[in-house]
Amino acid sequence: DQQVKQNSPSLSVQEGRISILNCDYTNSMFDYFLWYKKYPAEGPTFLISISSIKDKNEDGRFTVFLNKSAKHLSLHIVPSQPGDSAVYFCAASTTGANSKLTFGKGITLSVRP
Amino acid sequence: DAGVIQSPRHEVTEMGQEVTLRCKPISGHDYLFWYRQTMMRGLELLIYFNNNVPIDDSGMPEDRFSAKMPNASFSTLKIQPSEPRDSAVYFCASWGNYGYTFGSGTRLTVV
Repeated sequence: DQQVKQNSPSLSVQEGRISILNCDYTNSMFDYFLWYKKYPAEGPTFLISISSIKDKNEDGRFTVFLNKSAKHLSLHIVPSQPGDSAVYFCAASTTGANSKLTFGKGITLSVRP
Repeated sequence: DAGVIQSPRHEVTEMGQEVTLRCKPISGHDYLFWYRQTMMRGLELLIYFNNNVPIDDSGMPEDRFSAKMPNASFSTLKIQPSEPRDSAVYFCASWGNYGYTFGSGTRLTVV
């Protein structure tokens, strides 16, 4: 049973436009959410995170929105650039004794020049 | 620090053979995680350690899989015997003061 769901396997957008990557979760105990970016032949790298006490966190071109009532978060990339083409993983955790992250399946973003 | 170091980067082996994947975490990180990435299931947590002690191995798919962490700077994930369905990319990650850091992964192909 997938507790973190990324239902769209891929997304293609034009350079300069907005990319919106969606993520849903089922475990109401999750209170910390992260996005990771992965290029081919490399490990995932941390991109941006948000705590459940916030509904928005922004870092440059990247903004993550959290809707706790809907158990939904999204990553917005504006403007999208060809270098953003990668696999994006949504992850969630509960604060506490362990730091186990539960990941979604990932979504492949392609930004067309 | 050189980051999380995994070896080998690629492994091709025949079905039935034993495979050992290796990981060196970032010095000072207390947690070490082994993940497996497949197209069907994404990134799955197999097992994780805290201070070299296995905490949760519920993600280990079968008894053919085993993991050890004999000291703070080294961990292994072993598959014996290997099967074609074990083909995937295996990532090691460590967590500590510098956050969550992944290695570059080992691409395993079992033929």
